[in-house]
Amino acid sequence: KQEVTQIPAALSVPEGENLVLNCSFTDSAIYNLQWFRQDPGKGLTSLLLIQSSQREQTSGRLNASLDKSSGRSTLYIAASQPGDSATYLCAATGNQFYFGTGTSLTVIP
Amino acid sequence: GAVVSQHPSRVICKSGTSVKIECRSLDFQATTMFWYRQFPKQSLMLMATSNEGSKATYEQGVEKDKFLINHASLTLSTLTVTSAHPEDSSFYICSARVIAGGTDTQYFGPGTRLTVL
Repeated sequence: KQEVTQIPAALSVPEGENLVLNCSFTDSAIYNLQWFRQDPGKGLTSLLLIQSSQREQTSGRLNASLDKSSGRSTLYIAASQPGDSATYLCAATGNQFYFGTGTSLTVIP
Repeated sequence: GAVVSQHPSRVICKSGTSVKIECRSLDFQATTMFWYRQFPKQSLMLMATSNEGSKATYEQGVEKDKFLINHASLTLSTLTVTSAHPEDSSFYICSARVIAGGTDTQYFGPGTRLTVL
């Protein structure tokens, strides 16, 4: 069974810092690796999707990379802002979704 | 941890028929559940927020008369795809929201793959 782990569980940084969130998975036979943002009381917002044949995806200040062979993905956030404060989830998708436990990010003004 | 189940896990139906997908929280109560769908090679997209005892809130572009959501109990929400067409073929996933001990968490079901012929 696929297991997805995210480190750290919580992160607090001052505004303007660049940061990296980590996601690891045990089974490299995945279709996609997705990163989501979750605000309190809201559903998930998809941030980036990396297909298994791709190495990275970029959207604005976000960059996600995928290394299937090592079972790792990272989400890089540049020049963090208070509005980036949320929980970030990664999900490895095969026949179903396997979600990580999330990283709770707080960006301090 | 909390477990959310979905039934069925896979369904194949003919065009024009209706399909019901169930989402159950097995060992906890959830006043709020979310429904998502994912088309091949695309991101997971939120369809609607299902609130127990009240009408669901649909995201922009999601037809409420086509995707009927019922959340009649604290452990069950259903999504009915009415008059399904091939373009409705997708992966549907639900989640249940839990607020406890100062934390606000969602637990996800394993998903239902719908294929409309």
